[in-house]
Amino acid sequence: LAKTTQPISMDSYEGQEVNITCSHNNIATNDYITWYQQFPSQGPRFIIQGYKTKVTNEVASLFIPADRKSSTLSLPRVSLSDTAVYYCLVVLYSSASKIIFGSGTRLSIRP
Amino acid sequence: EAGVAQSPRYKIIEKRQSVAFWCNPISGHATLYWYQQILGQGPKLLIQFQNNGVVDDSQLPKDRFSAERLKGVDSTLKIQPAKLEDSAVYLCASSFNLVNNEQFFGPGTRLTVL
Repeated sequence: LAKTTQPISMDSYEGQEVNITCSHNNIATNDYITWYQQFPSQGPRFIIQGYKTKVTNEVASLFIPADRKSSTLSLPRVSLSDTAVYYCLVVLYSSASKIIFGSGTRLSIRP
Repeated sequence: EAGVAQSPRYKIIEKRQSVAFWCNPISGHATLYWYQQILGQGPKLLIQFQNNGVVDDSQLPKDRFSAERLKGVDSTLKIQPAKLEDSAVYLCASSFNLVNNEQFFGPGTRLTVL
């Protein structure tokens, strides 16, 4: 099973762009990469999902290089409310739908 | 649209006691997940249902944990008997189907085992 690796923590300032990278080896072509955000005392919330190249929505962008061994979540112009834990999730549909959450990246945004 | 409902929100029990958690997924969602989240860690999948069938329960400690989704809608997760290390938040999530991985999470049940 592929495991995901993320930085344990990151700090940034309001108005900056934040990029969080996730490493995932042995990922298969049809497997999806999904990012979730979690605030204290709440369940995770879906941010974005993709499986190759670039995906963009109203809150974030997801970059996946051709070799698919990593992905980068990009948060443009962060604010204090973006302080949370961000999880990279790989769904291994090629292996009986194994679902693995990463260890999470604790993002702290300062004024 | 109503979200994923879970109850109770908090539960405190003593070790060796039994406890049950309930989850009602979003209407129309075929896939339901139970996760265990220990403080400071990412969620760990315990069991995944597709309608009323089990897709994956490889990480469910079957000697003490059980789960069911008899009618393919709501679900219960039971621990019997509880151990100290079961103290965690138990999260329920649902998604439209197996292919659509956008999971919607409930608020969770915080279990404390004394």
